[in-house]
Amino acid sequence: DIQMTQSPPSLSASLGETVSIECRASEDIYSNLAWYQQKSGKSPQLLIYYASSLQDGVPSRFSGSGSGTQYSLKISGMQPEDEGVYYCLQGSKYPLTFGSGTKLEIK
Amino acid sequence: EVQLVESGGGLVQPGRSLKLSCAASGFTYSNYVMAWVRQAPTKGLEWVASISTGGGNTYYRDSVKGRFTISRDNAKNTLYLQIDSLRSEDTATYYCAKDRGLFFDYWGQGVMVTVSS
Repeated sequence: DIQMTQSPPSLSASLGETVSIECRASEDIYSNLAWYQQKSGKSPQLLIYYASSLQDGVPSRFSGSGSGTQYSLKISGMQPEDEGVYYCLQGSKYPLTFGSGTKLEIK
Repeated sequence: EVQLVESGGGLVQPGRSLKLSCAASGFTYSNYVMAWVRQAPTKGLEWVASISTGGGNTYYRDSVKGRFTISRDNAKNTLYLQIDSLRSEDTATYYCAKDRGLFFDYWGQGVMVTVSS
């Protein structure tokens, strides 16, 4: 199985600050990586797919990058509504595997 | 508007069975791979199972193989998850999700399954 190592586990950011979350795969996943935001008590929402494609309706301050085994999600200018838990998902092969999550809070 | 509405959850004793349903609307259901993802209380997301468009191919995580069965009825636009021999570790919110290429672009609101005596 492909292991997804996500870091950091938690993060606190000020309004307007740029934040980054990383995911490292245990093998090459060929950019088959998605990022999700989950707010408390809600379903996950897709932010980024295929490592860098922005889902329709997602603010442009969210961006994704990476290749091979290393991927990152960047939020350029933290907003209050960005609080939540962020997960990466590898879609290279079954079983699909998620990262362990990053809890993002406003400072 | 894409809608996925799960049902069938509840409190179940260990060893018993349960069948979850997910009613889909707002897209051509038969054209998409569908999946179940679960989340134990205060834990992260865990992919459970996926099913191909026609239902002929199914995929499961190892820990549920032989106990969970994913199926679909394309005439009814409905996805199912039959869960047998329930264990305490199956306690979770179960989400139905639409697959757009080995990632999920839409999720249901989730249904809670609690396994306890």
